[in-house]
Parts: sequence; structure tokens; C-alpha cells
Amino acid sequence: AQSVTQLDSQVPVFEEAPVELRCNYSSSVSVYLFWYVQYPNQGLQLLLKYLSGSTLVESINGFEAEFNKSQTSFHLRKPSVHISDTAEYFCAVIRTGANNLFFGTGTRLTVIP
Amino acid sequence: DAGVIQSPRHEVTEMGQEVTLRCKPISGHNSLFWYRQTMMRGLELLIYFNNNVPIDDSGMPEDRFSAKMPNASFSTLKIQPSEPRDSAVYFCASSSPSGGGYNEQFFGPGTRLTVL
Repeated sequence: AQSVTQLDSQVPVFEEAPVELRCNYSSSVSVYLFWYVQYPNQGLQLLLKYLSGSTLVESINGFEAEFNKSQTSFHLRKPSVHISDTAEYFCAVIRTGANNLFFGTGTRLTVIP
Repeated sequence: DAGVIQSPRHEVTEMGQEVTLRCKPISGHNSLFWYRQTMMRGLELLIYFNNNVPIDDSGMPEDRFSAKMPNASFSTLKIQPSEPRDSAVYFCASSSPSGGGYNEQFFGPGTRLTVL
């Protein structure tokens, strides 16, 4: 089975500062990895994904994540955060060929003006 | 497309009552997923359907929970009788085959259920 660990439940950071949200996964088979974002009172939206190829993937709003197979990690980073980035971020994993996502417990990012 | 539609957005009920949550997937999507989100357990997959057929219901907590998908454009999640511990946000998501090895799931806005 697959599992995801997000060690930080809350991350406060000042506006324009860099941020890293950590994600580690566990799986005995090959997987795809994802970051979802949930803005207040909304559903989840896919932020970025790693399926294959380059281990560094980027989103349209400046986030990036790097797949590190040896460390079984998929940390999310942004060099300079904005107030609008305040949200909850979920790391998720899916076994290749499967349909069901396994989510981490989420990290609440709060950007402080 | 309007995206995944869920109703109601909020539901407050008393313990013992029947609760029915509704979901309309994105047109053309052939997979539908029901998730539950709580503070204690995070996001959990309850059940998912492929082509209206339940594939994996191992996440359904107990017999009080049931889900149906009578056609490609509608699904229900029913709790009978409801209990306070069922209070959570319930999300529906849908996806379609993309041929790229992964079918992106699109989430609805959720139904916030409170059982008193």
C-alpha cells in the first residue's frame, strides 16, 4: 500500500519569503506524485504532478516540486510567496495504473503580510 | 463545463436522521470518487465507480454508508442513520481516461455535514 507523510501541519511565512512544504511517501511500487491546493471553502485543485521524465515540475503560479526517489520525497517550494498563496496544501500519491489517490494530512500555509 | 456539482453545500441534521449527498460529475467523465475530510483523519477515499460500477468500497466506514451511481451523470452517498462522528466535509471527484497514464481527478466544492 502507499502512504504519504506531511510532517508540518502548519507553516506560517512572511510575504515574499521563500517556503518549503515537505512531503515523503512510502510505496513498494512505482507511483505518481501530486500536490493539490485547497483554498478556504473550496474543493481541491491540482497544483502540479510528477508522472515521469524531469524530476523537477512546476506550476503556473510559481510553485515547484522535485521528485527525489532515493529520499522518497516530493517537497513543494516557492521562492517568494504571496498573500493569495494562503491555503491548505495536500501531497498525494497513486500507484501507476491505479485509480485511488492516497493523501497526506495536509499543510496549512499562512502568508503573513 | 460547470465542473463537478455537489448538493447540498451545507447540511445540518440530527443524530439518527437519514442524509443524502448528491454529485453530478463532469460530463464525459467515467470515474467518480467520494472522499471524506475530517481534522482527525484528513482526506479518505470512501468509494469509487468506473462506468457507474462500484470498484472499491473498502473505505466505506460501515453499513450505515451506501453509495449509488444509477447513471453516468449522477451519484448519491447516503448515511442512515447519521451519527455525530459522521460530521465532515464530503467531496466528490470525477475523472476521465487521458491516455497519459494518469486520469486527473476534478473535485467538487464539497458538502459540509454537521450531525448534532
